[in-house]
Amino acid sequence: DQQVKQNSPSLSVQEGRISILNCDYTNSMFDYFLWYKKYPAEGPTFLISISSIKDKNEDGRFTVFLNKSAKHLSLHIVPSQPGDSAVYFCAAGNYGQNFVFGPGTRLSVLP
Amino acid sequence: DGGITQSPKYLFRKEGQNVTLSCEQNLNHDAMYWYRQDPGQGLRLIYYSQIVNDFQKGDIAEGYSVSREKKESFPLTVTSAQKNPTAFYLCASNPGWVNGSPLHFGNGTRLTVT
Repeated sequence: DQQVKQNSPSLSVQEGRISILNCDYTNSMFDYFLWYKKYPAEGPTFLISISSIKDKNEDGRFTVFLNKSAKHLSLHIVPSQPGDSAVYFCAAGNYGQNFVFGPGTRLSVLP
Repeated sequence: DGGITQSPKYLFRKEGQNVTLSCEQNLNHDAMYWYRQDPGQGLRLIYYSQIVNDFQKGDIAEGYSVSREKKESFPLTVTSAQKNPTAFYLCASNPGWVNGSPLHFGNGTRLTVT
């Protein structure tokens, strides 16, 4: 049973527009969430995080929103750039436990 | 520059042979992890170590073994008992089970077993 789900395997967005990547989780004990970006044949790179005491965290073009009651988080990228084309992984965890990763969403930003 | 080094980047082995993947970090992190990535799946945890000379099984430890003799090093051995060893293997580290400490990943080793 997947504890962290990313139901869209892929997403295509026009350059300059907003990209919205979604993530759902089932374990209400998770209190810390991460987004990673991964290019082919490379390791994932940490993008942004959010703890359960917040509902929004922003870093430049990247914003993560957390809706605890819905057990849902999303990553917004504005404006999207061709270099953002990659696989994005959502991960969830809590103190004393290892992170659980979702299956990833492949984002393609079209010029 | 601090980071995690995995070697080699590509590895080919015949079925039935054991193979060891290297992972070294100079971030002074206490915790190290091994993940496996397969197409369409998330990263699945194989083994992890929170401190030197101690390690724990992750979700898919069968057919794998590890050691943690030094803080900087966490090698993974893929044994002949692993039924589907062909995959992309990622090593990661962080300061430990502390809130706000994301995993730092190496660039991975792609293992192909034929």
